[in-house]
Amino acid sequence: AQSVTQLDSQVPVFEEAPVELRCNYSSSVSVYLFWYVQYPNQGLQLLLKYLSGSTLVKGINGFEAEFNKSQTSFHLRKPSVHISDTAEYFCAVSDANYGQNFVFGPGTRLSVLP
Amino acid sequence: DGGITQSPKYLFRKEGQNVTLSCEQNLNHDAMYWYRQDPGQGLRLIYYSQIVNDFQKGDIAEGYSVSREKKESFPLTVTSAQKNPTAFYLCASKSRGTSYEQYFGPGTRLTVT
Repeated sequence: AQSVTQLDSQVPVFEEAPVELRCNYSSSVSVYLFWYVQYPNQGLQLLLKYLSGSTLVKGINGFEAEFNKSQTSFHLRKPSVHISDTAEYFCAVSDANYGQNFVFGPGTRLSVLP
Repeated sequence: DGGITQSPKYLFRKEGQNVTLSCEQNLNHDAMYWYRQDPGQGLRLIYYSQIVNDFQKGDIAEGYSVSREKKESFPLTVTSAQKNPTAFYLCASKSRGTSYEQYFGPGTRLTVT
């Protein structure tokens, strides 16, 4: 079974500053990795995903993430955040067998300050 | 436009009443899921279905029931046995083919008083 850890429950950052949201996972099998964003009172929207190939994945809204197999991490980064990036961010993992056993992390609340 | 619809957006019920939340998808996805989200909490899996007429309990199934009579529809009933039903409920679906992510609906906020 997989598990996901998001060490930071809240991350405050000033507008136009860079940000990194951390995600670590545990799994005994090969995995797929995902980052989702949730704005208040809305569903989750996929930011990006890693299935295979290049370990640096680019997503929507200027976000990117890097898969590091040796450190079992999939940290999310953005070089310059905007007020509109304020939201909850969830990391998720599934096994690489047709994406079964989907598991979400507890989430990180990103607050972008003016 | 393909997607997942959940209705209504807001739902209010009196304690002791059963209530059914709707989830419909036109993505032709085989798998569908129900999650519960409490303030400041992550997602907890209630039920999931990989195929029509089959479904499995998730981590917090007690007090909930589902049906999957059609591929497009996966309604969730919150029964009076659910001790703390007030929450935000999210429905999701996933293809069993080459797209491995879950797609989410907009959610239903249920308030029980």
